Amino acid sequence: GAGVSQSPRYKVTKRGQDVALRCDPISGHVSLYWYRQALGQGPEFLTYFNYEAQQDKSGLPNDRFSAERPEGSISTLTIQRTEQRDSAMYRCASSLAVGGPYEQYFGPGTRLTVT
Amino acid sequence: GENVEQHPSTLSVQEGDSAVIKCTYSDSASNYFPWYKQELGKRPQLIIDIRSNVGEKKDQRIAVTLNKTAKHFSLHITETQPEDSAVYFCAASTGNTGKLIFGQGTTLQVKP
Repeated sequence: GAGVSQSPRYKVTKRGQDVALRCDPISGHVSLYWYRQALGQGPEFLTYFNYEAQQDKSGLPNDRFSAERPEGSISTLTIQRTEQRDSAMYRCASSLAVGGPYEQYFGPGTRLTVT
Repeated sequence: GENVEQHPSTLSVQEGDSAVIKCTYSDSASNYFPWYKQELGKRPQLIIDIRSNVGEKKDQRIAVTLNKTAKHFSLHITETQPEDSAVYFCAASTGNTGKLIFGQGTTLQVKP
């Protein structure tokens, strides 16, 4: 079946603009995770959802970052007033069930560049 | 919070040799340890994982060992092939959240 998908794959924006990054998890997967991956580094946890409920947002860098998953499927990560330091690969992952941990499958990522 | 250290940062082996990558974790409550392989420009792919109630797991040429006392786990690749060349990441998770804390990565180069 279809894997995790993300859009856009590439996003170039000017400093100060808002951006919205979308994640479409594997069908039926109830847990969804957002990570940020700097070049040459491992993914860094941002936040995660079980169904539509945000369970942990301790990894969000500051209050310019927010995420939602209103219907328990597609999720959007929003960055307001972008800064150059926000430039990175943003990846989401999904997992089949709660009460795990269970295997996480990653999407292709959105490469964000803030100029 | 959890911290995961991974070594070495780079590893070069001859085709056919074995490769070992080691990780240590700080939170004794961690209970799930996956390994991901990431090829250049691609997404991380889960290759093997182990849970804290198991000491060793093997899948063809790859194996993972876990030492809970030492808070240490390792990835072993035998009979390496050029297509094994990639960046490998270990990770650890605590409780039932699934939140993964990743190591810094190991770039493995297998020379033909």
